[in-house]
Amino acid sequence: DADVTQTPRNRITKTGKRIMLECSQTKGHDRMYWYRQDPGLGLRLIYYSFDVKDINKGEISDGYSVSRQAQAKFSLSLESAIPNQTALYFCATGAPVGAGNEQFFGPGTRLTVL
Amino acid sequence: LAKTTQPISMDSYEGQEVNITCSHNNIATNDYITWYQQFPSQGPRFIIQGYKTKVTNEVASLFIPADRKSSTLSLPRVSLSDTAVYYCLVGTGEYGNKLVFGAGTILRVKS
Repeated sequence: DADVTQTPRNRITKTGKRIMLECSQTKGHDRMYWYRQDPGLGLRLIYYSFDVKDINKGEISDGYSVSRQAQAKFSLSLESAIPNQTALYFCATGAPVGAGNEQFFGPGTRLTVL
Repeated sequence: LAKTTQPISMDSYEGQEVNITCSHNNIATNDYITWYQQFPSQGPRFIIQGYKTKVTNEVASLFIPADRKSSTLSLPRVSLSDTAVYYCLVGTGEYGNKLVFGAGTILRVKS
């Protein structure tokens, strides 16, 4: 089974709708991240969490919110989706500090906002 | 976090060695250099990480000169399946693994 799973894998929605993307991990890592990727570009950090009680904004957090329900679960919400949020979204976990910068990515969620 | 500069794209043929160089002139003392690989519609995958000199694992080598202002990822004898985007990242785990991805280098391997 995959270490980092994301649901749904694909989603088409309409402008103004609330959308939740879910991420689960079995790696036992405290650190979790949400990124978005637009065509031809690198990944941009939306939010990150170092443990269940810690939530931090990333580079592009406007229009998004997150919830860390447990060590293994980190959800990303779009409160009112807009077309420029159409992108590929990745969840990742991070190895502990001192174990390098390795992050482990999920398979991604392709979101289309019409 | 230090900014990196990589070539936008590279072409190679099967069986050749491929070297992708990354510039990071503002690298900090505590920064590590990490490379990720990404296939279309998949999440990035860790390839290799180093701090100085040379690091080698089962898939790649990483060469870092003494001044650490650049690094070179070396892929030996590439195959078609190595066609992907390769990202060079510079940062330190002390900042919570906050990775900054640039546009990366598109490597196309031809037969």
